[in-house]
Amino acid sequence: QSALTQPASVSGSPGQSITISCTGTSSDVGAYNYVSWYQQHPGKAPKLMIYDVSNRPSGVSNRFSGSKSGNTASLTISGLQAEDEADYYCSSYTSSSTPVVFGGGTKLTVL
Amino acid sequence: EVQLVQSGAEVKKPGESLKISCKGSGYSFTSYWIGWVRQMPGKGPEWMGIIYPGDSDTRYSPSFQGQVTISADKSISTAYLQWSSLKASDTAMYYCARLYAESQPFDYWGQGTLVTVSS
Repeated sequence: QSALTQPASVSGSPGQSITISCTGTSSDVGAYNYVSWYQQHPGKAPKLMIYDVSNRPSGVSNRFSGSKSGNTASLTISGLQAEDEADYYCSSYTSSSTPVVFGGGTKLTVL
Repeated sequence: EVQLVQSGAEVKKPGESLKISCKGSGYSFTSYWIGWVRQMPGKGPEWMGIIYPGDSDTRYSPSFQGQVTISADKSISTAYLQWSSLKASDTAMYYCARLYAESQPFDYWGQGTLVTVSS
C-alpha cells in the first residue's frame, strides 16, 4: 500500500479539465510544500510535471497546474489532449525515515 | 543537454550478484544528488536511496538499507546500484534520477534498467 493515496483512474474528453487528488498526512503533504507530480507513458521513465506544489519546470505546458489544501494535493490538467493519456504519480517530502513517498498512481484516459 | 544513461536489462538467478550503472552528462555530476527508484510492475515508484557524488554522502530508505549498495565514481560521472544476493522479489524496473537536494524532486531520469530474477 502506497503512502499517498490517489484514485486509480480518471477520464475526460478532449478539451475538458480533470483533477487528480493525492491524499497524505500531516507528516508529508500537510507538512511541506514539497509535492511533485510525474507523468509516465507506458514503457517510459517518469517525467517531472509539477514541483513544490504548483511550479512547472521549463517546457511543461501551462495546461498543467498544481495546488494543495491541508493534507491533499491536486493536479489539474485543462484542455485535455490525447497525448495527456498516461499514468500520473504524486510524491511528497516527508518527516518519516524515508524522505520521499510516492502515490500509487492514477491512470488518465482521454476518451 | 542533461542525460542519464543506464546500463541494459539484466536476467539473473536468485543468489547472484549484480551491479547496474547510471552515467550522467551535460551537467556538473558532482553538484547534484543521484537517486535510485524501484518500480515494480503496475505499482508506484519507491524511493530507494540517494548519493552525492561530490563526497559520496549516501542515504538509504530503511526498506532498502542492507539490501542494496549505492555508490558513485565521480571520475567517470557514473552512479551504481548493486546487490550481493538477488531474490526473485527484486524483479523490477530500476531508475536513476537527478535531484538538487533531498527535499527536491527528481528533475531528470534515466531510461530505466529492467532487472529480472528467475530460476
